[in-house]
Amino acid sequence: EADIYQTPRYLVIGTGKKITLECSQTMGHDKMYWYQQDPGMELHLIHYSYGVNSTEKGDLSSESTVSRIRTEHFPLTLESARPSHTSQYLCASTTSGPETQYFGPGTRLLVL
Amino acid sequence: GESVGLHLPTLSVQEGDNSIINCAYSNSASDYFIWYKQESGKGPQFIIDIRSNMDKRQGQRVTVLLNKTVKHLSLQIAATQPGDSAVYFCAEREYNFNKFYFGSGTKLNVKP
Repeated sequence: EADIYQTPRYLVIGTGKKITLECSQTMGHDKMYWYQQDPGMELHLIHYSYGVNSTEKGDLSSESTVSRIRTEHFPLTLESARPSHTSQYLCASTTSGPETQYFGPGTRLLVL
Repeated sequence: GESVGLHLPTLSVQEGDNSIINCAYSNSASDYFIWYKQESGKGPQFIIDIRSNMDKRQGQRVTVLLNKTVKHLSLQIAATQPGDSAVYFCAEREYNFNKFYFGSGTKLNVKP
């Protein structure tokens, strides 16, 4: 069982608001990821990080940004939320060696 | 990006029967595969993984089979239980990259 946490679990906000989704892991994993997932659909990679001060854009274009100042923390920020951002956001980190990827519980975002 | 797809969007099985969930992938350079289980409202949960130098791996009640010739992956669940009801995803990782690609998922319904 992996120790990876996401807050908030649910968020309802109005259009134009700035929000930050938090993700933390206590396993010392270097690699961390953010995925976007619509209900019943596949996961789309939006950001990832190889370690502190490393961030990369994923395959799905996203208006969000990320930062990696500490190994255990990988927050995702939306400067101005829109209804099209409504989705579930999943954070993950990988172990070394077998590179098994573990997920947090997700944040369900609804932008009105 | 790579294409990872599942043959059946929904699978219904009787409790106690064996379940087989299939997955096709298109990138022959993928060297590592993972099966995830995702219950409603939760993040994906690691079930079992397999490296490309293997063709079979067994866990508790689950077996993953890898056929690299036809780029096919399957998850077998023995004696399926109601608690196995969930959406199952396969994911692949391309050799030397740190990104995972996910299929759209198969929903498993276990009838009591």
